[in-house]
Amino acid sequence: EIVLTQSPATLSVSPGERATLSCRASRTVRNDLAWYQHKPGQAPRLLIYGASTRATGIPARFSGSGSGTEFTLTISSLQSEDFAVYFCQQYNNWPPLTFGGGTKVEIK
Amino acid sequence: QVQLLQSGAEVKKPGASVKVSCKASGYTFTAYYIHWVRQAPGQGLEWMGWITPNSGGTNYAQSFQGRVTLTTDTSISTAYMELSRLTSDDTAIYYCAKTRGVVPWEPFDYWAQGTLVTVSS
Repeated sequence: EIVLTQSPATLSVSPGERATLSCRASRTVRNDLAWYQHKPGQAPRLLIYGASTRATGIPARFSGSGSGTEFTLTISSLQSEDFAVYFCQQYNNWPPLTFGGGTKVEIK
Repeated sequence: QVQLLQSGAEVKKPGASVKVSCKASGYTFTAYYIHWVRQAPGQGLEWMGWITPNSGGTNYAQSFQGRVTLTTDTSISTAYMELSRLTSDDTAIYYCAKTRGVVPWEPFDYWAQGTLVTVSS
């Protein structure tokens, strides 16, 4: 089973600042890595797939990078609606599909 | 627009079973896989399995083998997840989600809002 480790667990950022989130895989997942945004009581939302491709309707301030075992989600200028939990998912080696533990982005 | 709508919250006693529904709309139900994922309080997301509505084929996570059954009713574009022999460890929010592409190893482009299942005596 591939373990995804996200860091940091919590990120305190001021609106307008950049946020950088990390996801590390226990072994290579090539570029089969997705990022999701999750707000309490809502359905998770796909942001990035293929490590760097924005999903339909996702603003350009969200970008993904990396391949193999190291991945990054960057939010270039945080808006109020971006404060949420972000988690990564690998879909290269399964079963099982696995998810990271999440990073909570909170207002500083 | 694509929507996945799950059934409401459930409270079950240990040893019982629960069946959660996931009604799809806005796309061709039989063309995409439906996955089920859960999140226990304070825990990360845990994948449970997938089903292809086209044929009813399934793949279950080993940790749920023998306890989970995924089914679909294509006539009403609805998927079901039944989990048996419940314990308090099964208290969680259960989500269904559809794949972005037509193979099971794809990310999930739409998720439902989740169903809270509470197991308590």
